[in-house]
Amino acid sequence: EPEVTQTPSHQVTQMGQEVILRCVPISNHLYFYWYRQILGQKVEFLVSFYNNEISEKSEIFDDQFSVERPDGSNFTLKIRSTKLEDSAMYFCASTRPSMNTEAFFGQGTRLTVV
Amino acid sequence: AQSVTQLDSQVPVFEEAPVELRCNYSSSVSVYLFWYVQYPNQGLQLLLKYLSGSTLVKGINGFEAEFNKSQTSFHLRKPSVHISDTAEYFCAVNPNTGNQFYFGTGTSLTVIP
Repeated sequence: EPEVTQTPSHQVTQMGQEVILRCVPISNHLYFYWYRQILGQKVEFLVSFYNNEISEKSEIFDDQFSVERPDGSNFTLKIRSTKLEDSAMYFCASTRPSMNTEAFFGQGTRLTVV
Repeated sequence: AQSVTQLDSQVPVFEEAPVELRCNYSSSVSVYLFWYVQYPNQGLQLLLKYLSGSTLVKGINGFEAEFNKSQTSFHLRKPSVHISDTAEYFCAVNPNTGNQFYFGTGTSLTVIP
């Protein structure tokens, strides 16, 4: 069964460094998302992406964040200068064309900023 | 604006006992409703969803949920839990005017042998 895959599963980075989290959505899906879950807190929406542009973003998704679909298969989240409070589990998700009613999630990347 | 409330942060229950995990939502528009499960060190897996039609929906692993529009609730139930049901459960809504999923804070279900 096709699935959303994320790499790496765990990333440790120093404060101020740039990180790129990678996701490969399910191949025929059209909407892509990033969510994050700070330890012990709820899953929070960051951004949605459709037709090679951001369709919605939350207040969390400030200028430090960017997303890209560089090659038609990968979907990346870049954090330019990481802060301690960026430590969280980051989930990528995608939805089927014409049926954005069910999101398929990846296993997540645990980002630890030290 | 949409919001999802899961009042119970932790629910311990004995094996083979029934369980109900509560979810209430608020929204100014119609929504689709979901329950996701997160097993330790894994991603979010869809348990069940309500889009339209019958208000009682059945999902995987013997779970079911009932949509109650007047009470704006979508409680998750299972008549007899197993040890393997120990996980974090998230209720989510997707307003049918947009592409976002709004999640509750989650309920940690612990099944006690």
